[in-house]
Amino acid sequence: DSGVTQTPKHLITATGQRVTLRCSPRSGDLSVYWYQQSLDQGLQFLIQYYNGEERAKGNILERFSAQQFPDLHSELNLSSLELGDSALYFCASSGQGGGLFFGEGSRLTVL
Amino acid sequence: AQSVTQPDIHITVSEGASLELRCNYSYGATPYLFWYVQSPGQGLQLLLKYFSGDTLVQGIKGFEAEFKRSQSSFNLRKPSVHWSDAAEYFCAVASRGGYNKLIFGAGTRLAVHP
Repeated sequence: DSGVTQTPKHLITATGQRVTLRCSPRSGDLSVYWYQQSLDQGLQFLIQYYNGEERAKGNILERFSAQQFPDLHSELNLSSLELGDSALYFCASSGQGGGLFFGEGSRLTVL
Repeated sequence: AQSVTQPDIHITVSEGASLELRCNYSYGATPYLFWYVQSPGQGLQLLLKYFSGDTLVQGIKGFEAEFKRSQSSFNLRKPSVHWSDAAEYFCAVASRGGYNKLIFGAGTRLAVHP
């Protein structure tokens, strides 16, 4: 158990819809990272937040957005969903010492 | 551009045999280096990391990795594989300026025969 909690574990929705994925980092970790894992793209960094502020951006689509709240949990919002957005979305947090600790992921299926 | 190459998509070994998973990186300077393992339906677990110092790094579950600057490699090894090691293994790099923004390789899927 990494200490990073993600909900929901599985999500099935239709094209054009919007979903929200939630992440709670490890206790004491201020940074939250979002990654997407798909068969064709592999693991890709989407975005990082540190203590509520956006810190770094990766290959995140404009249809996607994220935020980190004062209690440090984070939400990833995916809108106008397309079939190609079907993937496993991971949240990770980091503390001292380097390296990321990943949650078990949210598997999104867009039909 | 920074990149990570894991040349072997799929490897099969017998239980008790030794294992080496290859990882090569392309980077402007020596990056931070990581190996992660992903079991089916699970998240990624950090096996080990290299930041500096001794180029042979020990990790969890009996794994070790060796950083070779001249070869831009960071290969993962285990002397004796157990059936529970069957999983997908990812090598990752990060810049020293943003050491948690990881770039992952495509992964190597390990199968273990009894």
